[in-house]
Amino acid sequence: DVKVTQSSRYLVKRTGEKVFLECVQDMDHENMFWYRQDPGLGLRLIYFSYDVKMKEKGDIPEGYSVSREKKERFSLILESASTNQTSMYLCASNLGGNTQYFGPGTRLTVL
Amino acid sequence: GIQVEQSPPDLILQEGANSTLRCNFSDSVNNLQWFHQNPWGQLINLFYIPSGTKQNGRLSATTVATERYSLLYISSSQTTDSGVYFCAVEPGGNDMRFGAGTRLTVKP
Repeated sequence: DVKVTQSSRYLVKRTGEKVFLECVQDMDHENMFWYRQDPGLGLRLIYFSYDVKMKEKGDIPEGYSVSREKKERFSLILESASTNQTSMYLCASNLGGNTQYFGPGTRLTVL
Repeated sequence: GIQVEQSPPDLILQEGANSTLRCNFSDSVNNLQWFHQNPWGQLINLFYIPSGTKQNGRLSATTVATERYSLLYISSSQTTDSGVYFCAVEPGGNDMRFGAGTRLTVKP
């Protein structure tokens, strides 16, 4: 079974803090994705990566950056957290154009 | 960019009832998937269905790519079917675009 894990289920940070969200997949997938989920808006793509050290902006990259130094790990970074970044963050991975597998999500609250 | 619209936004059923969820998309797509998000937030892929019809137990899905819509059918609904159902399309490349979801509540 594919397994996608995220470093935290719940996270509380203060405005201005630097926040790291980690995602690890164990199936040697090429592609990894970061989404945020907000009520009534579905999932919106922040960034994705199709290879180590490669990244592409999604629909809402502002305020975020990413890092993919190893194939299995994709990190989302909030350089200076703001209250409007309070959300559920979901990581996913897939191989080529096949189905995406999701992690359990990280619910981030920025105070 | 491509627009993905799901209807209805909310649906309440009695256990045992049938339902149909709809997904409309505004442009041609390479792939389409249906996901179920359970009450704990976990997203599970239900169908990978760029065209045609597939069935898996009480669930089935049909995508008519030429008319840019997909339908998810749930028969004999159970309380465990509750959650949010998302349609996601792949317009090109490797990224996907999600609809806003349909929140299903099945009452015992």
